[in-house]
Amino acid sequence: VQLVQSGAEVRMPGSSVNVSCKVSGGTFNSYSINWVRQAPGQGLEWMGRLIPGLGTPNYAQKFQGRVTMTADKSTNTVYMELSSLKSDDTAIYYCARHPPAPWGQGTLVTVSS
Amino acid sequence: EIVLTQSPGTLSLSPGERATLSCRASQSIKSGYLAWYQQKPGQAPRLLIYGASSRATGIPDRFSGSGSGPDFTLTISRLEPEDFAVYYCHQYGNPPVFTFGPGTKVDIK
Repeated sequence: VQLVQSGAEVRMPGSSVNVSCKVSGGTFNSYSINWVRQAPGQGLEWMGRLIPGLGTPNYAQKFQGRVTMTADKSTNTVYMELSSLKSDDTAIYYCARHPPAPWGQGTLVTVSS
Repeated sequence: EIVLTQSPGTLSLSPGERATLSCRASQSIKSGYLAWYQQKPGQAPRLLIYGASSRATGIPDRFSGSGSGPDFTLTISRLEPEDFAVYYCHQYGNPPVFTFGPGTKVDIK
């Protein structure tokens, strides 16, 4: 299994960002794709997950109302959109399957005016 | 939501010493689905242990994990210079919300 994420993004405060995670190998529909972020100098933070075959995401309470996770089964790609961005959303965002599966390479999202 | 508490926050040891890191959950973790990650500055997290006690591919046998229910331990039998890093525990056994601990930093005494 390999997870390949989209490239770095720079956004203005108040805008949205959409990060993609393309899954190759393994069964796309059956397993959770989780999103984890790490702000500079901070710990790892679980944001939510989606099982593509079920389509119903689960989000950490902190991100409810601001995050949307979706899947495109035709391209084996999962998307994470975060809206109403603030400077403290600056972080590396990872997609990941449950251990021992690998993580994506990470996507740096910078929120700055 | 399960809350993971890691202790100590910082562990100061010398190379060759034994490190014992604790991860305590606010409730029992189903199926022992507890993982440990190591992270060095500027690097992505690296999986060490999954399923509480299974070493990931390529992980030296000086790393071992144990525990069940709400209490888990990562042991590094003899610290090598490259082991000084931050260690996170992660529970993935109690859906639909999964969590990480705040981390334990192992630094050189």
